[in-house]
Order: sequence, then structure tokens, then C-alpha cells
Amino acid sequence: GAGVSQSPSNKVTEKGKDVELRCDPISGHTALYWYRQSLGQGLEFLIYFQGNSAPDKSGLPSDRFSAERTGGSVSTLTIQRTQQEDSAVYLCASSLGGGGYTFGSGTRLTVV
Amino acid sequence: RKEVEQDPGPFNVPEGATVAFNCTYSNSASQSFFWYRQDCRKEPKLLMSVYSSGNEDGRFTAQLNRASQYISLLIRDSKLSDSATYLCVVTMFSGGYNKLIFGAGTRLAVHP
Repeated sequence: GAGVSQSPSNKVTEKGKDVELRCDPISGHTALYWYRQSLGQGLEFLIYFQGNSAPDKSGLPSDRFSAERTGGSVSTLTIQRTQQEDSAVYLCASSLGGGGYTFGSGTRLTVV
Repeated sequence: RKEVEQDPGPFNVPEGATVAFNCTYSNSASQSFFWYRQDCRKEPKLLMSVYSSGNEDGRFTAQLNRASQYISLLIRDSKLSDSATYLCVVTMFSGGYNKLIFGAGTRLAVHP
């Protein structure tokens, strides 16, 4: 597509439930990144994909977080047993592997 | 010490003012440098790359001092529409790819 698409744009979930966040990168972009941004804070790196593999998962905060990418395209970030501290905006970005990233508009996750 | 440090601001300036933002980074192996702009409740967008020779894009001038590990952004003739958070970003080659490291951002508010 023309840009990075993320869905849903907003998600409210109850504590303890699982959520799936989706990212559809720019067509042809081999690199895909997940970041999260808590209110008033900077961007926190979560995970990087090159194609379908994830050579850098160092930012995932706990084993409740996982991500996959299929077909070198769509990626899903899954958070199991959500906690209130998981509330944040989850941003996906893609790139051709160097230079600047293009970000999606994010998923605003609220855990109540 | 944070990998990328910025003055959080806010910088409150009148229209037409010149304002400068500074950023320092800790890893001398950092390779590429960028300024991103983030509007309230929006995703970050690439503003400009930063080169050692300095570069200019209209009212915006970016400078890099590798010896001091220091990056700057100068905005001349500020407009109301320049109000946003400005993110300093460096890349570091890690795990086989160029990882983007974001500063927490500097808030700019331009008033009439």
C-alpha cells in the first residue's frame, strides 16, 4: 500500500485478556519494526523483522509479548494476559533497510 | 546514561523567532542521524537527515559534530504550524542491521 497501515487504531481491553495488533507495511519494504510510546514518553524499541525473521527481539518487555511476520509482509504483535502497564501507543514502521523509517498511525491500547 | 539525550523543553517562542534544539548521543559508532517531527497524538514523520557537512531545507538547518557527538536543528522564522515535538534519532549497526535509537523529544510551542 501507499503507507504503513495499522489496525485497530484504538483498542480497549480488560486486564488479563490477550490482544493482537496488526501492521501492514509499505509494499516491498523488507524491514519492519515495532515500537511503543507511553504517554509523554519517547519511543521504546520492541522488535525488528528482516523478511520473516526477527534478528532483534531485545526490546520485548516480557514473555507475554510476541510477534510474527508472514510472507515478508503483514506482522502481528500479540500481548498475552494484558496488564495496565501495557497501555501505550504501539507503532509499526517499515523501511527498505536503511535510512528513515515510515511509521503507521499506531494502535492506542488501553488496558482497564 | 541514555543513548540519545535531548532537552525536553517545552520551548515557547513567538512567531518569527529562531529556535535551536540540541541533541547528544553516547555511541561513537553511530552512523546515520535524523530529525523526526511528531505532532500531538500522531506518528513520527521524518523531517530531515543530518550530515556532517550540515544541510538545509528551507527554514530548517541541521548540523552534526561527530567529534562532540552532538546534533542540532535550527528553525528560522518559526510558524504556528511548527509546534510539535522534535525527535533526535541516531542509527547504530547492531545485530546485522541499522537500528534507530530515538531521543525522548523536545517540545516546541510557537505562539502568535
